[in-house]
Amino acid sequence: GENVEQHPSTLSVQEGDSAVIKCTYSDSASNYFPWYKQELGKRPQLIIDIRSNVGEKKDQRIAVTLNKTAKHFSLHITETQPEDSAVYFCAAPPPLVFGKGTRLSVIA
Amino acid sequence: GAVVSQHPSRVICKSGTSVKIECRSLDFQATTMFWYRQFPKQSLMLMATSNEGSKATYEQGVEKDKFLINHASLTLSTLTVTSAHPEDSSFYICSARLVHEQFFGPGTRLTVL
Repeated sequence: GENVEQHPSTLSVQEGDSAVIKCTYSDSASNYFPWYKQELGKRPQLIIDIRSNVGEKKDQRIAVTLNKTAKHFSLHITETQPEDSAVYFCAAPPPLVFGKGTRLSVIA
Repeated sequence: GAVVSQHPSRVICKSGTSVKIECRSLDFQATTMFWYRQFPKQSLMLMATSNEGSKATYEQGVEKDKFLINHASLTLSTLTVTSAHPEDSSFYICSARLVHEQFFGPGTRLTVL
């Protein structure tokens, strides 16, 4: 089955700086790569996703890049704000298998 | 957007009892639903894939006789934790698939005393 590795497990950045989280996957048949943000005690919220036919997708301060050859994809958050602090998960199907998560702390 | 509900949101039970959790897709039909379990400070772990009208597919290490899954309609899947023990205490989250995307329920926090 799919195996998803996520790094780093924790990440602290100063407010306004950028944050990058990386994931690798094992199943070359995977074609959909979502990123989720989860706050304590709540369900994961989809923040951005990318399909295998594109290499990059951007939505305001959030972007995702995909390298299918290397089987890795990354989440980029620019101009970080304190409300970005949460746990972020990458995932790859099918069905969705999650990485171990990255606890992002944005220091004001 | 696609909405998935889960009931109950919290449940506390005594060791040895059974607990049923319901997962509903409110505005779409889902032939496939998924059940995840999340322990504190850990990731979501896929437990099983629930297929409407057929048997569920369990991930390795998940006891099918302990975690009973029923997907009797296109909008409802249930997970029953049988003979619950304290180590079953966790956050259980269901998910329903619509095309490529999976939509998540709000989760059920199970505490077994």
